[in-house]
Amino acid sequence: QSALTQPASVSGSPGQSITISCTGTSSDVGNYDYVSWYQQHPGKAPKLIIYDVNNRPSGVSDRFSGSKSGNTASLIISGLQAGDEADYYCSSYSSTSTPWVFGGGTKLTVL
Amino acid sequence: QVQLQESGPGRVRPSETLSLTCTVSDGSLSNNYWTWIRQPPGKGLEFIGYIYSTGSTNSNPSLKSRVTISLDTSKNQFSLNLRSVTAADTAVYYCARMSDSTWYWDYWGQGTLVTVSS
Repeated sequence: QSALTQPASVSGSPGQSITISCTGTSSDVGNYDYVSWYQQHPGKAPKLIIYDVNNRPSGVSDRFSGSKSGNTASLIISGLQAGDEADYYCSSYSSTSTPWVFGGGTKLTVL
Repeated sequence: QVQLQESGPGRVRPSETLSLTCTVSDGSLSNNYWTWIRQPPGKGLEFIGYIYSTGSTNSNPSLKSRVTISLDTSKNQFSLNLRSVTAADTAVYYCARMSDSTWYWDYWGQGTLVTVSS
């Protein structure tokens, strides 16, 4: 059971936009702007795509954006491309017994 | 460009100790949280623990009694020991870096699969 809750799967057609949610509690997502998102292609290491809720590292497409409202953070991918098909994980700092928690991951399928 | 590379046995017998090393290239160990994260086959990511460049550590309470993370600055490496392993510890193990001025992992190793099996 992951500390943060993500939908198991989402899908969209090329060119469309999708949103992946990441729901935590007031001990993590709700109280800290230290939410990050990672993209993971099969057999590869996770890659940072969003940090501190809504910031993109250098080199990451501006089609990726993030937001947060209350205890839920969201990853938005616009203009879907075939190469976006991957697993996506959110992570947050937590004030509980473990300092970092992950979501269970969301599999994005580009139809 | 910082590079991380995990190394260690690909198979460990039940009840024994899993030992992995992460070698850091083109970067200093200073001012960073050096982290171990694992991913069981077909499942999500799990934070194992970290060691700060001063040597202080923190680990997941669910693993704390079995985990030791250490640092070897002379070799630019940090290591993970996980004792008394079971099949549930079978996973891809990643090492990753978090700068102490940030709150995310920006560099990751490629990961190494460790299978617990007799």
